[in-house]
Amino acid sequence: AQSVTQLGSHVSVSEGALVLLRCNYSSSVPPYLFWYVQYPNQGLQLLLKYTTGATLVKGINGFEAEFKKSETSFHLTKPSAHMSDAAEYFCAVLRGGNNRLAFGKGNQVVVIP
Amino acid sequence: NAGVTQTPKFRILKIGQSMTLQCTQDMNHNYMYWYRQDPGMGLKLIYYSVGAGITDKGEVPNGYNVSRSTTEDFPLRLELAAPSQTSVYFCASRTSGDDEQFFGPGTRLTVL
Repeated sequence: AQSVTQLGSHVSVSEGALVLLRCNYSSSVPPYLFWYVQYPNQGLQLLLKYTTGATLVKGINGFEAEFKKSETSFHLTKPSAHMSDAAEYFCAVLRGGNNRLAFGKGNQVVVIP
Repeated sequence: NAGVTQTPKFRILKIGQSMTLQCTQDMNHNYMYWYRQDPGMGLKLIYYSVGAGITDKGEVPNGYNVSRSTTEDFPLRLELAAPSQTSVYFCASRTSGDDEQFFGPGTRLTVL
């Protein structure tokens, strides 16, 4: 069954520094991959997604992710962290039919001034 | 266009009590989902529905029931609340032909 792995539950990054969140997937079929963001006391919001086509995907708020089949990875990056990026980030993969999502455990990002 | 709304925002239940978590969407989406979120565990799918009158189990359905009598509403029922059901519950919806799921703001439930 399709699944994703996110390592390191808490990630601290200095303001202005690179944000890198790692996601590795397991899938027996070409995966559809997603990154969602959850701001405090809110629901999840889609940052970006990869389905087919270009492997470098750009999302909202300056985030992007690259699908690498050889590494089974879909890491999320942002060149320069902003205080407003403090949130929890989830990687997810489509599992089976009916668009069911399997989520990773999430990364809580803390931005240090 | 309110999107996905959930009520209540917070609730404290005693063991053995029952309650219904409400979810409504005004986007005419045919797919709807219920997830629970536990700290450090990500989101787990409880139940989902592909349209009015059709529901199916997700990863963690035990202790819950759902119904889907209309396109807009997808309530989640807890019949005999247990401490293990303390969690944050999210409802989501999507339209067919689009992969993006839209999430509600969540219901924080505590069972004591």
